Amino acid sequence: NAGVTQTPKFQVLKTGQSMTLQCAQDMNHEYMSWYRQDPGMGLRLIHYSVGAGITDQGEVPNGYNVSRSTTEDFPLRLLSAAPSQTSVYFCASSLDRANNQPQHFGDGTRLSIL
Amino acid sequence: GENVEQHPSTLSVQEGDSAVIKCTYSDSASNYFPWYKQELGKRPQLIIDIRSNVGEKKDQRIAVTLNKTAKHFSLHITETQPEDSAVYFCAASVTGGFKTIFGAGTRLFVKA
Repeated sequence: NAGVTQTPKFQVLKTGQSMTLQCAQDMNHEYMSWYRQDPGMGLRLIHYSVGAGITDQGEVPNGYNVSRSTTEDFPLRLLSAAPSQTSVYFCASSLDRANNQPQHFGDGTRLSIL
Repeated sequence: GENVEQHPSTLSVQEGDSAVIKCTYSDSASNYFPWYKQELGKRPQLIIDIRSNVGEKKDQRIAVTLNKTAKHFSLHITETQPEDSAVYFCAASVTGGFKTIFGAGTRLFVKA
């Protein structure tokens, strides 16, 4: 099993550009989530999904969209990149939708917005 | 919503000493409390977790305690080693609540 795979690892964007961060897991996990990590602020939940076709907002959803068309994939879209979105983004998954299981994280995407 | 506070933000100990990191949570319905370790440039990885039906859990040099009445839980690392140097995150979630809320993290330095 590859676990949770994120692409790309690094990306530089200009303000106003859009892009999609990819996340895939091969563990047949129901629950998937996206976090951003900023210095001194821990991991903040952007969006999450409890299964294919079901998504919902986390703590900091503004400026981001997600979709879950399959169990395996959970892409994160930046609609119009802003410098405030410069961060490290982590995708994570866990076995069941009840969210009281350990989360498995991907390696992260380091995103810089100029 | 849930809020998790973590202290201290930085902790420096001598090799062989113990380290304690404390977290408090606000939602009394929270019932799952994982701890993650993140080495520099790497992904967070689970090191230990505890559920609300137990007060303490131990795994070799690592232990976690939970006080539901006071709504706080702590990570204890004994006989620290240089490879314990990392950022540690506590988190809390509610079964069926779908959101895991993380603390801001503690950067632990273990000096050889």
